[in-house]
Amino acid sequence: GAGVSQTPSNKVTEKGKYVELRCDPISGHTALYWYRQSLGQGPEFLIYFQGTGAADDSGLPNDRFFAVRPEGSVSTLKIQRTERGDSAVYLCASSLSRQFSGANVLTFGAGSRLTVL
Amino acid sequence: GIQVEQSPPDLILQEGANSTLRCNFSDSVNNLQWFHQNPWGQLINLFYIPSGTKQNGRLSATTVATERYSLLYISSSQTTDSGVYFCAVDTGRRALTFGSGTRLQVQP
Repeated sequence: GAGVSQTPSNKVTEKGKYVELRCDPISGHTALYWYRQSLGQGPEFLIYFQGTGAADDSGLPNDRFFAVRPEGSVSTLKIQRTERGDSAVYLCASSLSRQFSGANVLTFGAGSRLTVL
Repeated sequence: GIQVEQSPPDLILQEGANSTLRCNFSDSVNNLQWFHQNPWGQLINLFYIPSGTKQNGRLSATTVATERYSLLYISSSQTTDSGVYFCAVDTGRRALTFGSGTRLQVQP
């Protein structure tokens, strides 16, 4: 697509429920990133994919968080047994490759706002 | 991991004024990008600038890599410049690390 698309834009769930957030990157972008942004803070890195594989998942806070990118395009961030502290905006970004340049910068989606009651 | 500090945290300007935002980082970097997050939350890349100076209209940025800082200049500010400005860096070992941002409000 023309831009990075994220769905849903808003998700309200109850504590303990399972949630999936979807990201559709720019066509042809091999690198895909998930970030989490809490109110008043900068985006916090969660996980990075190069193609289908998770090249760096060191930012995932615990084992309730998992992400996949089975065909090297669309990615899904999965959160099990949600907690109130998981409430945040989850941002997806993509780039042509991991090697940034003036012609290859990080492009963000509009985010998925998750609220856990 | 690398630390990124941005200053000032908040800035209020009158339309037409100029401003300088600063980003300090704690380690050598091979990638530095500036972003603007508009009031609706959309993050837009402004510059890729691991070193040197670039200009784009009323915005310019300078990174002095040897001294581990970068500056973003906004001239003749407009109300549409309002939002949060983020600096993000990486050392090549992991994804971009963001600072906590400078929240800018431009008043008419």
